[in-house]
Amino acid sequence: DTAVSQTPKYLVTQMGNDKSIKCEQNLGHDTMYWYKQDSKKFLKIMFSYNNKELIINETVPNRFSPKSPDKAHLNLHINSLELGDSAVYFCASSRYEGIRQETQYFGPGTRLLVL
Amino acid sequence: EDKVVQSPLSLVVHEGDTVTLNCSYEVTNFRSLLWYKQEKKAPTFLFMLTSSGIEKKSGRLSSILDKKELFSILNITATQTGDSAVYLCAGRSQGNLIFGKGTKLSVKP
Repeated sequence: DTAVSQTPKYLVTQMGNDKSIKCEQNLGHDTMYWYKQDSKKFLKIMFSYNNKELIINETVPNRFSPKSPDKAHLNLHINSLELGDSAVYFCASSRYEGIRQETQYFGPGTRLLVL
Repeated sequence: EDKVVQSPLSLVVHEGDTVTLNCSYEVTNFRSLLWYKQEKKAPTFLFMLTSSGIEKKSGRLSSILDKKELFSILNITATQTGDSAVYLCAGRSQGNLIFGKGTKLSVKP
């Protein structure tokens, strides 16, 4: 069984459109994340959610909004897509850290291409 | 500002060689350091290091953390072509993970 899954795997769309990427984890983890990997393969964290609360937001434009309907899902909505949004987006999950230190498990990624 | 710096950025070796990948970090409220291997897909977890001086091993891979000098190394012995990948180092603070830019390793037959 896939631990962290994302859909779609590929997404090609026009500038100005609104799109969503879905993420689901079946690990029972409390915290989920979204990362953006740019053309230079550099991973940058965008959001993390713990128990439906946004706990970090790394100065991402407000066109990007995470939505968490429940603990197992964290979807990424992107409004008014721009060319610079083209990248691979990774979802990840981990147990809530607190005083413990937990690793993150990544989904397979969604390759977004904005034309 | 938190940062993680990896070196070298790229490395080409031949099968059977031993390689050492470096990672230095400056992370506020540092908790742990993680190593990932990324091929053409999502990063896969290799090691999580929390204590200084304790080597973690997994087959031909090993890693160690020096919290005093703020760095970690990843060693791969007897490299194989399947080891070709980008190796990512990430420093973890509470609720945050700061990635380095990665070291691209190419292992030639």
